[in-house]
Amino acid sequence: DAKTTQPPSMDCAEGRAANLPCNHSTISGNEYVYWYRQIHSQGPQYIIHGLKNNETNEMASLIITEDRKSSTLILPHATLRDTAVYYCIVRPAYGGATNKLIFGTGTLLAVQP
Amino acid sequence: DSGVTQTPKHLITATGQRVTLRCSPRSGDLSVYWYQQSLDQGLQFLIQYYNGEERAKGNILERFSAQQFPDLHSELNLSSLELGDSALYFCASSVAPDRGGWGKETQYFGPGTRLLVL
Repeated sequence: DAKTTQPPSMDCAEGRAANLPCNHSTISGNEYVYWYRQIHSQGPQYIIHGLKNNETNEMASLIITEDRKSSTLILPHATLRDTAVYYCIVRPAYGGATNKLIFGTGTLLAVQP
Repeated sequence: DSGVTQTPKHLITATGQRVTLRCSPRSGDLSVYWYQQSLDQGLQFLIQYYNGEERAKGNILERFSAQQFPDLHSELNLSSLELGDSALYFCASSVAPDRGGWGKETQYFGPGTRLLVL
């Protein structure tokens, strides 16, 4: 499985966009980039995922670089309730390792009032 | 609310005991996954069931077992409990992919069961 690298922590002002980076330089062609978040010991919450193209949903946008070696999760207008640990996960679409999600240490996003 | 339910929310027990954690997947999901989150190990995959059959296994101890019933709910059984088994246990569910490719299917997590072994 490709490994991911995320900064351990980030701050963001309430109402501003939060841009969370993730490096996955060893990603292969059939591997998806998934983002989850975990708010203080609650169950991980699915945010968004993508393969090659940028994706947007009601929660966030995912920007994947053309070479797919890095991505950025964008929360357009962060609120205090977005304070959480954000996990970037690279996951093969096919093959024996696809069943599980491999969580790293993630980025603790602290949204400041 | 992900639609995945887990009971109980909290469980306190003693070393050597056995407990059962229960999970009900989202409506329509055939696959259930179990994860353990401890302070020192982070979130780790334990096991997956699909339509009643074991599909994939992760770092699950021999003292732990799971099953998925015909109504698709799943139970995780933890026996001979040790202090180190204290953790959050999460269940997730997903649909089955059309043509293999489990990696394309999003897993949705329940609220978890917090287990404390004293």
